[in-house]
Order: sequence, then C-alpha cells, then structure tokens
Amino acid sequence: SAVISQKPSRDICQRGTSLTIQCQVDSQVTMMFWYRQQPGQSLTLIATANQGSEATYESGFVIDKFPISRPNLTFSTLTVSNMSPEDSSIYLCSVCRVADTEAFFGQGTRLTVV
Amino acid sequence: ELKVEQNPLFLSMQEGKNYTIYCNYSTTSDRLYWYRQDPGKSLESLFVLLSNGAVKQEGRLMASLDTKARLSTLHITAAVHDLSATYFCAAWFASKLTFGTGTRLQVTL
Repeated sequence: SAVISQKPSRDICQRGTSLTIQCQVDSQVTMMFWYRQQPGQSLTLIATANQGSEATYESGFVIDKFPISRPNLTFSTLTVSNMSPEDSSIYLCSVCRVADTEAFFGQGTRLTVV
Repeated sequence: ELKVEQNPLFLSMQEGKNYTIYCNYSTTSDRLYWYRQDPGKSLESLFVLLSNGAVKQEGRLMASLDTKARLSTLHITAAVHDLSATYFCAAWFASKLTFGTGTRLQVTL
C-alpha cells in the first residue's frame, strides 16, 4: 500500500485568505487527485494533479480558486484561494498506482472558514 | 458523464441480520471500489472489483460485480455494531474515480 501524509489535518481560516494543503506519498505514484467532501456529502473530484504540467480540473472548479502543483511523482499541493465559508469542507488527496489498481486516500484536511 | 447511485442512503440494521447495499453506475467501467468512512476519518479501502462476476469477501462483508447490469452489491452478513459507518462505492472511468452518494449504516441492538 501507499502511505500518504497530508498536512495540515485541520485549520480554521479567515475569509479572504488562502490555505495550501500538502500531500506527500512514500513511493512514486502515477496519478494524484484532489477531492472535496462537504459536510454530510459524498466526495467530489476537484482535479487531477499532473506531474510537471497544469492540473486537469473538473467542471465547476477553476485554477484561480484551486491552484494545484505537482513538481514530482510523490508530492502535490492544493491551494484554496480567497476562502469563503462555503469552502468549509474536508479536502482529500488520493493516489493511484496503475500497476496494482488500488486507490489510496490521505487522512484529509478539515477546513473551517470563518 | 459517469453517474454512480447508491441505495439505500441510510440503513438502520439490527444486529445479527443480513443486509445489502446496491451501487448502480451509468457507463461501462472496468473497476469498482468500495470504501468505508468512519465519522471524522478518511476513507478505508475495502474491495476493488476488476471483472464481471468478481466476488470478494472480508469478514462479514462480501462485494460482487455484474458489469453487464452495471451493478455492484455489498452484502452484510449478521451485522454487528462495529460495522456502523458510511460506505461508498466508486467507479473508475476516464482515468478517475466517481463516487456514489454513500450509504450510512447504523447497527442497533
């Protein structure tokens, strides 16, 4: 299995500010994803983090609001920009290794915007 | 666009009885995942189903996949309190996972 370290685990932020979430994997993985889970809801894919190039965003999510970096095969960041209370959610990093078909999740970042 | 539906959304189970969660998906998919999520926690992988007719079992949980019907089931045998959690299915299509709505299971005595 892949061990994923996601930081911070939780944060309380002021509206209008930005927060960067980090995702570190203990081995090289092919694919990295960022999800949002709003309270009591399922997981919604924000984007696929592409190594060395711009992320691929899902409908309803834009780069200006959720800039993503992936400088190498084991690390990615998601920034939640210009936050509002509606951004209060759990943000989860996920990785896939195509060779074994498993999809693993980080511990999640619980974000509260006040 | 792939859509994944689960039912029921909520299931109140009596200890010792059997139950089934259903997961339907709208487009051909070659991988179906089941996850468990406890309150305030991340997702724990339960099963990955890769082919038509695949069946996997772990303890009181058994998952199966019918790709022709685009249906996966998660069967719970003799429910116990420890199984109380939210269960998600997710289908792999177009290089990404799409999640179902989730089923919240609550086991009562």
